[in-house]
Amino acid sequence: AQSVTQLDSHVSVSEGTPVLLRCNYSSSYSPSLFWYVQHPNKGLQLLLKYTSAATLVKGINGFEAEFKKSETSFHLTKPSAHMSDAAEYFCVVRSSSGNTPLVFGKGTRLSVIA
Amino acid sequence: DTAVSQTPKYLVTQMGNDKSIKCEQNLGHDTMYWYKQDSKKFLKIMFSYNNKELIINETVPNRFSPKSPDKAHLNLHINSLELGDSAVYFCASSPAGQGRNSPLHFGNGTRLTVT
Repeated sequence: AQSVTQLDSHVSVSEGTPVLLRCNYSSSYSPSLFWYVQHPNKGLQLLLKYTSAATLVKGINGFEAEFKKSETSFHLTKPSAHMSDAAEYFCVVRSSSGNTPLVFGKGTRLSVIA
Repeated sequence: DTAVSQTPKYLVTQMGNDKSIKCEQNLGHDTMYWYKQDSKKFLKIMFSYNNKELIINETVPNRFSPKSPDKAHLNLHINSLELGDSAVYFCASSPAGQGRNSPLHFGNGTRLTVT
């Protein structure tokens, strides 16, 4: 069985300050982990993915995430928030074959204050 | 150059009606999915098709029937619509050959409102 928990439903930061969105996962096998972003009234866009290569993964728009097996975490970070980063962020896990569905976390809404 | 496209973008209809949502992908992917996003933004898999064959069918009422005429299309037909069907429905696709590492490519969603 696999599951993912996003620890914060809403995070608010000031523009130019660091962003931390927390995610913990549970998986019976070595997981693949993803972060997706959803801007208002838009579809989901892949930010980055972890696939058992490097544990520190760099994504688009300056985001990165670190896979920590001992902590079963895959937190998303960005050094400096921009207004355009305001969106809903989803942590996602898949632990088996390519035909099994992704399991989504409940999402974290990121607000960026000017 | 849209990769995964869904139509319509918005759909407002009355209870009891039958409606369809269409999805097409031009990425050459083998696997397509339908996800439902509820009012709290939670995304849940409904169906998955691989090369036109149904491989995942989660606990979804049989009023929902996916149809895949070819591997580039996965349409969703809903009979006897109910208020609880109001949600945003996302189509997605992925290349099956890359296994669990392959991310999904999503359409922009169809917002269904049942009145």
